[in-house]
Amino acid sequence: DAGVIQSPRHEVTEMGQEVTLRCKPISGHNSLFWYRQTMMRGLELLIYFNNNVPIDDSGMPEDRFSAKMPNASFSTLKIQPSEPRDSAVYFCASSPQQGANEQFFGPGTRLTVL
Amino acid sequence: AQTVTQSQPEMSVQEAETVTLSCTYDTSESDYYLFWYKQPPSRQMILVIRQEAYKQQNATENRFSVNFQKAAKSFSLKISDSQLGDAAMYFCAYRRGDDKIIFGKGTRLHILP
Repeated sequence: DAGVIQSPRHEVTEMGQEVTLRCKPISGHNSLFWYRQTMMRGLELLIYFNNNVPIDDSGMPEDRFSAKMPNASFSTLKIQPSEPRDSAVYFCASSPQQGANEQFFGPGTRLTVL
Repeated sequence: AQTVTQSQPEMSVQEAETVTLSCTYDTSESDYYLFWYKQPPSRQMILVIRQEAYKQQNATENRFSVNFQKAAKSFSLKISDSQLGDAAMYFCAYRRGDDKIIFGKGTRLHILP
C-alpha cells in the first residue's frame, strides 16, 4: 500500500496567487481529513469528509480556503488568494470508517507564501 | 466539547532511561479511542499506540506502553529504554467513532546521549 499521497511536497508562491494542494487517500478509506500545522497554532483540523461528503468545515479559516472531494480517491484544498500567513505544513489524513479508527497521515505539503 | 490536554510542552530524558508523557482528556462519552502519535523531524505523523476505551488492559507496543485511567480521563505514554530515534513531538489524540480526531498540542521529547 502506498499510503496517503500528497502533492506537491513543497510549494513556494507569491501572495495573491492561487494554491491547490492535492491528496490521494488510502484505497478503501472512507474518511479524509485536512490539517494545517504551524509553530504558533500547532495542528489544526481544517475540514473532514465522510464518504466524499464534507462533515465539518468549521476549521476552515476563511472564505479563501475551499476543499473538495469529487470521488473517493482524490481531494483538493485550495487557497485563493494566498497570503503570507497561510504559510504552514498542510497534512492530509485518511481513515477507515469502521474498524481501526486511526488516521493515516500523508507526508505533508510545506507551503510558503512570499 | 471534547478536549485533549498535554501539560508538558517539552521533556528531556537520558538515553536508555524511562520517560512518561502525560495526557488528559475531557469527554462525556463512554466508547471512544485514544492514540499517541509521533512526529519526528521528518514531519511524518506516525501512530505509536492506540487504546480502545472499553478495554481495561493497557495497550503495549514493544518499548511503548500506556497507563489508561478511564475514570480519571488520563492516558499517559511510557517509553522504556529511550533511544535517540525516539526524539520527536508526541501528540495525544481522542476520537469517538467516525467523528473527527482531536489532538493535544504536543510534547516535544529530547533524548540526551
